[in-house]
Amino acid sequence: RKEVEQDPGPFNVPEGATVAFNCTYSNSASQSFFWYRQDCRKEPKLLMSVYSSGNEDGRFTAQLNRASQYISLLIRDSKLSDSATYLCVVNMGWGKLIFGQGTELSVKP
Amino acid sequence: EAGVTQFPSHSVIEKGQTVTLRCDPISGHDNLYWYRRVMGKEIKFLLHFVKESKQDESGMPNNRFLAERTGGTYSTLKVQPAELEDSGVYFCASSSNSLGGYAGELFFGEGSRLTVL
Repeated sequence: RKEVEQDPGPFNVPEGATVAFNCTYSNSASQSFFWYRQDCRKEPKLLMSVYSSGNEDGRFTAQLNRASQYISLLIRDSKLSDSATYLCVVNMGWGKLIFGQGTELSVKP
Repeated sequence: EAGVTQFPSHSVIEKGQTVTLRCDPISGHDNLYWYRRVMGKEIKFLLHFVKESKQDESGMPNNRFLAERTGGTYSTLKVQPAELEDSGVYFCASSSNSLGGYAGELFFGEGSRLTVL
């Protein structure tokens, strides 16, 4: 079983759609949680941290449920520029990150 | 401010040869990490330096891989001898915060793509 599991997609959505990504992690000792974004053949970039209280950054909302070891990302009003691979990432401490395989999003006009 | 830079961006070598990848972290960042992504798999942790010391090298696949960070600035990752399964993208990352178990945001380089034929 993978330590961080994501639906690989691809998710093909029209502009303006709302799309949700889910992720589960297996290690209850995980310390902190993130969503990273990776464009084709580029490096991963931090999109947002994820907190149990839920957090929002513009059109993006992230949520963490420690009890069920579940992380989510909601993107509202999708833009063409949101097309990328979204990586669910868990920090085991000291920056030792465990990555999910990524969920590919393609936003179409 | 310059980001994390990696060299070369792409290297094609034959099985049995040696390759050395270089990473220059963001200036002043004590933490330096190596990660890699092999085809069809997720990005995986290789090792972590704090300044010139190896904090965690639990992800290094075998003794064909040698990472160094002399002087606590840039780092090199040498693969010797390279095998077919070493092909992939090697990412370097750095972060500034070294307090406790949280290392702050990691900034990744664009990666070095290694192809072993």
